[in-house]
Amino acid sequence: EDQVTQSPEALRLQEGESSSLNCSYTVSGLRGLFWYRQDPGKGPEFLFTLYSAGEEKEKERLKATLTKKESFLHITAPKPEDSATYLCAVQPRGFSGGYNKLIFGAGTRLAVHP
Amino acid sequence: EAQVTQNPRYLITVTGKKLTVTCSQNMNHEYMSWYRQDPGLGLRQIYYSMNVEVTDKGDVPEGYKVSRKEKRNFPLILESPSPNQTSLYFCASSLGDSSLNTQYFGPGTRLTVL
Repeated sequence: EDQVTQSPEALRLQEGESSSLNCSYTVSGLRGLFWYRQDPGKGPEFLFTLYSAGEEKEKERLKATLTKKESFLHITAPKPEDSATYLCAVQPRGFSGGYNKLIFGAGTRLAVHP
Repeated sequence: EAQVTQNPRYLITVTGKKLTVTCSQNMNHEYMSWYRQDPGLGLRQIYYSMNVEVTDKGDVPEGYKVSRKEKRNFPLILESPSPNQTSLYFCASSLGDSSLNTQYFGPGTRLTVL
C-alpha cells in the first residue's frame, strides 16, 4: 500500500535555528514527490517537485532533497514567517486516482519564535 | 490571476440536508480533484475528473457525488450529509494528461454537519 509518513508532527524552533523535516514514503513506483506549505485557514501552496533520487531544489531558506525512501526539507536560519504546516505528497506510477493523484502525509507543524 | 475558487468557505448544516460545494478554476486545467483534510490523516482524495464528463472515485468516495459538465467547474455534492463528513474540503486542479503536473489548491471549505 502506498504510504507517506512525516516527522516530527510538530517542531518548535527559535529564529535562526536550522533544522530538517522528514518525509518517508513507500510507493509502487514514484513519479514525483511534492512539498507544499499550508497556512492556517488556507489551501496548500506548492513549493517543490522532486523527480529522482539525488535531486535537490532550493527556494530562499528552504532546500528539499530526495532519496529512494525519503525526502528532507531543510530550513536554514528560519524566520517567524516560515511558521506553517509543511505537507509532503507522492505521486505514484499507475492510473489509480488518475495520473495526477497525490498521496499526502499528515504534515509537520512548524513554529518559529523570535 | 490564475486561481482555484471554492464556495462557500464555511458551512454549518444539519444531517440529511443536501448541499453542494462549488469549485471553479480559470487555468484551463483538465484534471480536477476533491480532497478532505482531517487531523492526523492528511489530505485524502474523494473524487477526481480527468476531463469533461469523465469522473471517478478516489480513496474515500462514500457519501459524495461529483459532476463535470464544464471544464472549469467541478462541484462536490453531499446528498445526505452526516456528522462524519464534518471536515475541511479542498478542490485542486492541474494540467492533466500523463505528464507530471503540479496541483493547485483552492482556499478550502470548512463543513460542519450537526
